Amino acid sequence: GAVVSQHPSRVICKSGTSVKIECRSLDFQATTMFWYRQFPKKSLMLMATSNEGSKATYEQGVEKDKFLINHASLTLSTLTVTSAHPEDSSFYICSASRGTGDYEQYFGPGTRLTVT
Amino acid sequence: QKEVEQDPGPLSVPEGAIVSLNCTYSNSAFQYFMWYRQYSRKGPELLMYTYSSGNKEDGRFTAQVDKSSKYISLFIRDSQPSDSATYLCAMKNAGNMLTFGGGTRLMVKP
Repeated sequence: GAVVSQHPSRVICKSGTSVKIECRSLDFQATTMFWYRQFPKKSLMLMATSNEGSKATYEQGVEKDKFLINHASLTLSTLTVTSAHPEDSSFYICSASRGTGDYEQYFGPGTRLTVT
Repeated sequence: QKEVEQDPGPLSVPEGAIVSLNCTYSNSAFQYFMWYRQYSRKGPELLMYTYSSGNKEDGRFTAQVDKSSKYISLFIRDSQPSDSATYLCAMKNAGNMLTFGGGTRLMVKP
């Protein structure tokens, strides 16, 4: 199968600090990774798409300087929430895909971020 | 108007019932249709993946696509308490960018 992990599963941080979330593809090479945000009882909202070795492409309305995405290898992408604010509290989910064409996205288990 | 509309529920059914979940969409360019199941505080897992209009069956699950009406459905037969989750429809055209529905929360009561 295709397994995607996220770390940490939940994190609490104080306002103004930064927090990094890792997304790893454990048994396949992920050329493309996606980062989603999900509010309670709401659907997944795509934040950005990253291809290994390239800058991420952010969706409209997502601040690239606040949500830093790095996809330095074919198995790891990171999302760093900078200067965290309570309104950044949310469930962040990554997915990984073998390519940019018609490839399935495999989702990670998500990271619950709480900013106090 | 959202590109993909899905009734949020919650939908509560007794164990053993047939469940019908639906989505409508407006973008006729969508070619691929998926249903994901998401348990609370977990990531989505792919249940069904269909391309053309018609039915696709996998165990207790049947996915139905009607492109002419821009309407897709997921049927669950002999529903179980373990089926209690949020079901998300998703769709895409060429490439792998997904557009999700809002999700329907299903509760199957023993």
